Amino acid sequence: DAGVIQSPRHEVTEMGQEVTLRCKPISGHDYLFWYRQTMMRGLELLIYFNNNVPIDDSGMPEDRFSAKMPNASFSTLKIQPSEPRDSAVYFCASSLSSAFEAFFGQGTRLTVV
Amino acid sequence: QQQVKQSPQSLIVQKGGIPIINCAYENTAFDYFPWYQQFPGKGPALLIAIRPDVSEKKEGRFTISFNKSAKQFSLHIMDSQPGDSATYFCAGNVGGSNYKLTFGKGTLLTVNP
Repeated sequence: DAGVIQSPRHEVTEMGQEVTLRCKPISGHDYLFWYRQTMMRGLELLIYFNNNVPIDDSGMPEDRFSAKMPNASFSTLKIQPSEPRDSAVYFCASSLSSAFEAFFGQGTRLTVV
Repeated sequence: QQQVKQSPQSLIVQKGGIPIINCAYENTAFDYFPWYQQFPGKGPALLIAIRPDVSEKKEGRFTISFNKSAKQFSLHIMDSQPGDSATYFCAGNVGGSNYKLTFGKGTLLTVNP
């Protein structure tokens, strides 16, 4: 398996634009996690899914953020409208069971100017 | 609100040295404490983990020491190598959950040849 695949690797967008980040989890993994990493706040859990169903989205910062998992092999994190403070590295991770042993993707570095 | 406090922020050692990274937590509901290693441009990867019913755990050159009464735990890297240069994160599981982690801010370790 190629691991967790995220796209794009880098995204630069203008404030106010819609941004969609994509994730393909490892086949067979039932759990999918979206994290955000910044220098100020470190690594934060945004939302996680189990069997394509969102279980806990309490980490999603605002209504501008939304995440979906239409099937077991694809998830998206959307920001609309984007703001400069959304600039961060966004990681997707997947796991067979717990969050502890999740495999992370390489991340998407988002820059909002 | 940071629930796991990590220090130091950065650390430089010579090859063969024993870097020590410390973490402290306040939430007594934590019952699993993983450490992650992150190389530049990559996502974090689970390195080693401990539960509070043991005081020490070793895996190869990596050792976690745990002090439950002080609510502190630390990572020691024996015989450190330049390839160990990375950012290290400690974490705790929120509310004893298997799915939600809160992370320390990270320690950038540099091992000089």
